[in-house]
Amino acid sequence: DAGVIQSPRHEVTEMGQEVTLRCKPISGHDYLFWYRQTMMRGLELLIYFNNNVPIDDSGMPEDRFSAKMPNASFSTLKIQPSEPRDSAVYFCASSLDAQGAGEQFFGPGTRLTVL
Amino acid sequence: GESVGLHLPTLSVQEGDNSIINCAYSNSASDYFIWYKQESGKGPQFIIDIRSNMDKRQGQRVTVLLNKTVKHLSLQIAATQPGDSAVYFCAEKGGYSTLTFGKGTMLLVSP
Repeated sequence: DAGVIQSPRHEVTEMGQEVTLRCKPISGHDYLFWYRQTMMRGLELLIYFNNNVPIDDSGMPEDRFSAKMPNASFSTLKIQPSEPRDSAVYFCASSLDAQGAGEQFFGPGTRLTVL
Repeated sequence: GESVGLHLPTLSVQEGDNSIINCAYSNSASDYFIWYKQESGKGPQFIIDIRSNMDKRQGQRVTVLLNKTVKHLSLQIAATQPGDSAVYFCAEKGGYSTLTFGKGTMLLVSP
């Protein structure tokens, strides 16, 4: 298995533009997580899905952020409009069972820079 | 005012030494713990886990110790190598909650 795949690896955009980050979880994993990592706040959980259904989005910073999972093999995190304070590394992770073993497999991340 | 970045605790060791990285967790109801390693430019990578019904678990060159009385977790790395240089995170979960990650410790290994 190729592991969790994220694209793009790097994104540079201007303030006000829409940004879409993409994730392909490991096949067979029922849970998908989106995290944001910054030096200021560390690793923060934004939202997670179980069987393509959003379970907890309490970590989503504000309405400019939205996430979807149209099928078991694809998820997107969208920021519209983007702001410089959104600059961070965004990770997608997947796991077999959030309530059991809990081990999450992380993708390589997308480094977002908003100018 | 001026913003202050996250200051990671740093552990510096010589190659071949044993390293001990500590973590204090917050939730006494947590029953599952994981250590992750994050190398520069990469996502966190699973190292070892432990459940609350155990107080020690060993892997290859790594040992995790759990002290539930004082809510303390440690990761011991034997014969530390330059390739072990990374940021190490502990994570905890309890029941139906998701993982909660600590702030991380940077390990620097000098050859």
